[in-house]
Amino acid sequence: QVTLRESGPALVKPTQTLTLTCTFSGFSLSTSGMCVSWIRQPPGKALEWLALINWDDDKYYTISLKTRLTISKDTSKNQVVLTMTNMDPVDTATYYCARTGYYSYYYAMDVWGQGTTVTVSS
Amino acid sequence: QSALTQPASVSGSPGQSITISCTGTSSDVGGYNYVSWYQQHPGKAPKLMIYEVSNRPSGVSNRFSGSKSGNTASLSISGLQAEDEADYYCCSYTSTSNLLFGGGTKLTVL
Repeated sequence: QVTLRESGPALVKPTQTLTLTCTFSGFSLSTSGMCVSWIRQPPGKALEWLALINWDDDKYYTISLKTRLTISKDTSKNQVVLTMTNMDPVDTATYYCARTGYYSYYYAMDVWGQGTTVTVSS
Repeated sequence: QSALTQPASVSGSPGQSITISCTGTSSDVGGYNYVSWYQQHPGKAPKLMIYEVSNRPSGVSNRFSGSKSGNTASLSISGLQAEDEADYYCCSYTSTSNLLFGGGTKLTVL
């Protein structure tokens, strides 16, 4: 059974750096074709894809936030970490991680975590 | 990158069929067969309903189907049921190696 779980602070102050961890089980990010994405959803708004890391350690970022995002993986711990610098109240959202396919389910997110809510406020 | 264009809302009565459109450009929807659709109930994580334009994951009802013509992808739901009431999002791979979501469509079952 594939599961993913997001963890991180519920509250961050403006200008701080947010660090989120996605801990997963049921698959390995060292397996060819496996990827993990981060997606966020502000309250009452649409989903926004943020970043993806693949089995080969290739990293992709949404263009609008590329300068603020860093994604990394620790294969031995089955974890993917997303950092976002210079947080602003508009970054208040629920942040999800999701397994993303490449050789199958091409670029589709087939299993999602339950999400973690982050509020940016002083 | 602007979000893919979806209608804000659609509605239908139980048993009816509806279609949700998702319009992009030749750099995303029109350029790749990597369109996926997600269902999201309030307070829940999204659920994959369709991948690669028209494929259903195991466990998803065959009442859900997907298609694409040019720069527009579509999600169709037949035999509407009360449990289908949710928000639906399309997503496409893009020429900049990004993934791009639509603005979402709220489906109301009357």
